[in-house]
Amino acid sequence: DGGITQSPKYLFRKEGQNVTLSCEQNLNHDAMYWYRQDPGQGLRLIYYSQIVNDFQKGDIAEGYSVSREKKESFPLTVTSAQKNPTAFYLCASMMNLEQFFGPGTRLTVL
Amino acid sequence: AQSVTQLGSHVSVSEGALVLLRCNYSSSVPPYLFWYVQYPNQGLQLLLKYTTGATLVKGINGFEAEFKKSETSFHLTKPSAHMSDAAEYFCAVSVFSGGYNKLIFGAGTRLAVHP
Repeated sequence: DGGITQSPKYLFRKEGQNVTLSCEQNLNHDAMYWYRQDPGQGLRLIYYSQIVNDFQKGDIAEGYSVSREKKESFPLTVTSAQKNPTAFYLCASMMNLEQFFGPGTRLTVL
Repeated sequence: AQSVTQLGSHVSVSEGALVLLRCNYSSSVPPYLFWYVQYPNQGLQLLLKYTTGATLVKGINGFEAEFKKSETSFHLTKPSAHMSDAAEYFCAVSVFSGGYNKLIFGAGTRLAVHP
């Protein structure tokens, strides 16, 4: 059954820690995306990747980093430089201009 | 620059009533338009999309949307609301910038359905 998986579903972080959110897809899609969702603000693009070993900053990349070493995987690291990381994070892949979303990870900073 | 505006952050309807969620876009080229639905603490699911061809697009769960170029609108409708339609709905437009395809999302409309 093809799709996108994100783990963990809930993540708690202490201030000053880096955390990595996992995103895996078995849809064989080249393009992958990371979004941040805050109440009332819709989805904001953090990073995107069109192909392995290539990625681009989105609208709110500061305090985040990504890698794309494999087609199936696009992990997102939330660094200590991100001042307000508490949010819902969504990963997506794209085929024929349609985006397919994972179930999301809710990150809370304690 | 392309953008999407969803009028009304919250919409409340009675069960069985018409659902109308508004979306206006700005785009310098013929747009590809999408409606997604999100249930609490879940990812987004595609309801329907407009690319080319027929301007009235039918989607899942009885929803449909009409692309009106003259009004730059892509409003989402459903003739009769069901309790299970309560969710957040996002309109999006596809953009091609710098050699990459991206989606620009509206801020979302939360639909409440009451008995």
